[in-house]
Amino acid sequence: EPEVTQTPSHQVTQMGQEVILRCVPISNHLYFYWYRQILGQKVEFLVSFYNNEISEKSEIFDDQFSVERPDGSNFTLKIRSTKLEDSAMYFCASSGAGTGELFFGEGSRLTVL
Amino acid sequence: GIQVEQSPPDLILQEGANSTLRCNFSDSVNNLQWFHQNPWGQLINLFYIPSGTKQNGRLSATTVATERYSLLYISSSQTTDSGVYFCAVGYSSASKIIFGSGTRLSIRP
Repeated sequence: EPEVTQTPSHQVTQMGQEVILRCVPISNHLYFYWYRQILGQKVEFLVSFYNNEISEKSEIFDDQFSVERPDGSNFTLKIRSTKLEDSAMYFCASSGAGTGELFFGEGSRLTVL
Repeated sequence: GIQVEQSPPDLILQEGANSTLRCNFSDSVNNLQWFHQNPWGQLINLFYIPSGTKQNGRLSATTVATERYSLLYISSSQTTDSGVYFCAVGYSSASKIIFGSGTRLSIRP
């Protein structure tokens, strides 16, 4: 069964470092998303991406964050200068044409020290 | 923006019991999903149900879109049903899908 894959599963970084989280969405999906979940809290929307551009972003998705689809398969989230409060699980999701049904990867846990 | 409220926030049950989880939302939506977040943190799709009723084994869900709520039923609970159940709603594929705060379900053996 097709699935969304994310790497790395866990990354530890120093405050101020750049981090890139990678996702391979389901191959025929057109809509891509990043969400984050701080430990014990709810899942928060960061950004949606369609047709090679951002469709919508939340207040959390400030200038420190960027997304890119560098080739036909990968979808990346970059955090330019990490802060302690960026420590969270980051989930990538994708959706097929017109359905709005999200399929999530297993998440990348980011720990900022 | 859309507000999503889930109830109850916590639920503790004995194995074999039945439960009903509720999701209320503040606006008309085109997408509604139920997810189970297992103890390892994975978000497992349960139902995509913007309207109507669906069943999958011991689980079923009903969404009454005109009244802006959805219900998730779990029958004959098992310890593996433990975890957090999230409802998520949205207007369209390109827009944000908003999660509720979840219901934490604990099934005791």
